Formats: sequence, structure tokens, C-alpha cells
Amino acid sequence: NAGVTQTPKFQVLKTGQSMTLQCAQDMNHNSMYWYRQDPGMGLRLIYYSASEGTTDKGEVPNGYNVSRLNKREFSLRLESAAPSQTSVYFCASSEDDSNGYGYTFGSGTRLTVV
Amino acid sequence: AQSVTQLDSQVPVFEEAPVELRCNYSSSVSVYLFWYVQYPNQGLQLLLKYLSGSTLVKGINGFEAEFNKSQTSFHLRKPSVHISDTAEYFCAVSSMNTGFQKLVFGTGTRLLVSP
Repeated sequence: NAGVTQTPKFQVLKTGQSMTLQCAQDMNHNSMYWYRQDPGMGLRLIYYSASEGTTDKGEVPNGYNVSRLNKREFSLRLESAAPSQTSVYFCASSEDDSNGYGYTFGSGTRLTVV
Repeated sequence: AQSVTQLDSQVPVFEEAPVELRCNYSSSVSVYLFWYVQYPNQGLQLLLKYLSGSTLVKGINGFEAEFNKSQTSFHLRKPSVHISDTAEYFCAVSSMNTGFQKLVFGTGTRLLVSP
């Protein structure tokens, strides 16, 4: 099925461990995004990539790094996980550089840091 | 910069009753507006969007929203809700003419439909 695929769906980490969240889209979209969702706070942008080879910080980038490996893939890395990073993470992509198309979201990764 | 306010964190309603979910935005430039729905344990799906033209926008599942520029609002409505509409609804805004789309989301409104 066409869309945005995220792996893994669930993950439990110990404080200080590292991990990479994977995201891939097959819609030939230029732009990709990583959000975190926390209760009562909506979705907050972590990092985004306007096009292959470029990445920029969003609203809450501290503690995260990203890689836009190619046009399809955009990964999010936690180098040293902290309990404050317990959240649901969503990857999204958008059709092109214009503003009116909205996003296509993945189904999310539920991360717990203990 | 843009911002979105969803004043109601939760809206309880009975099945077949009408509902309105409120959204107000703030922006110094013209905007595009969106409503997304998130069913339990799923990602977000686009419900409807306003880009230009008619201020009344119809979306999927019988929902509609009206853009009011003077009141900077984009409220979501449905004349008769179903149990299956129970979900969280997010309003979002992006600015025009930036050459790049970056959505700003509200904090969400949880719609609880009971029999």
C-alpha cells in the first residue's frame, strides 16, 4: 500500500540507550517531517527535510538527530534516550514545496524510555 | 509565525446530535487551514482543507468547516455524529507563499460520542 511506513511500531529503551526510528515513503514526496505527540500538547515538530540532502530543526530538536538518506527515507536518531523522550513519534511527508497539500502520516512509533 | 488554538480539549456528545469543534488561528500572513482526525492507535488522516475560494469546505465522513477571516476561525461541524466519529481532531495551519509547507498543529480536541 502506498503511504508512509514507520518502524518499529513499539519500543522500550533504558535511559542512555540509543536507537533509530525509520521512516520511508513511496509517494515521491519532496518534504518529510518528524513530529512527537504528547498528551495535551498536540504535535510538535522535531526536524524536517524540505528536499533530499537538506534538514532543518523544528520546534523541539534537542536530543535528536536526523538523516535524509535519500528521497524516500528520513530517519530519526536518539543518541542517549531520556525519560522525557517517552512519546509517540510520527513521520509525515508532503507532496511538494507548495503549501496547500497537507501531510500524509505514518502510523506512529510508541516509544517508552525507562 | 502562526499559531493555532483549540479551546476545547474534550467534547462529549450523544449520537445523532450536531457537533462543532472550535479552532482559532493567529497569523500575520494569509494561511491555508486543515483539519485532521486521529482514530485510536492510528496516525492522522486529512479530513478537509481550506486553500482558497468558498469559505465553506466539505470533507470526508460528512464533516464541514467554515473559514472566517475576520474572526480568524476555522470551526469544524457535523450535523449528526456517529459512534464511529469518536476520535481526536486536530486543526492545523500553514502560511502561504513561503515556498515550503510547514504545518503548525493545535493541541487537539477529543470528540466522545456516546449512545
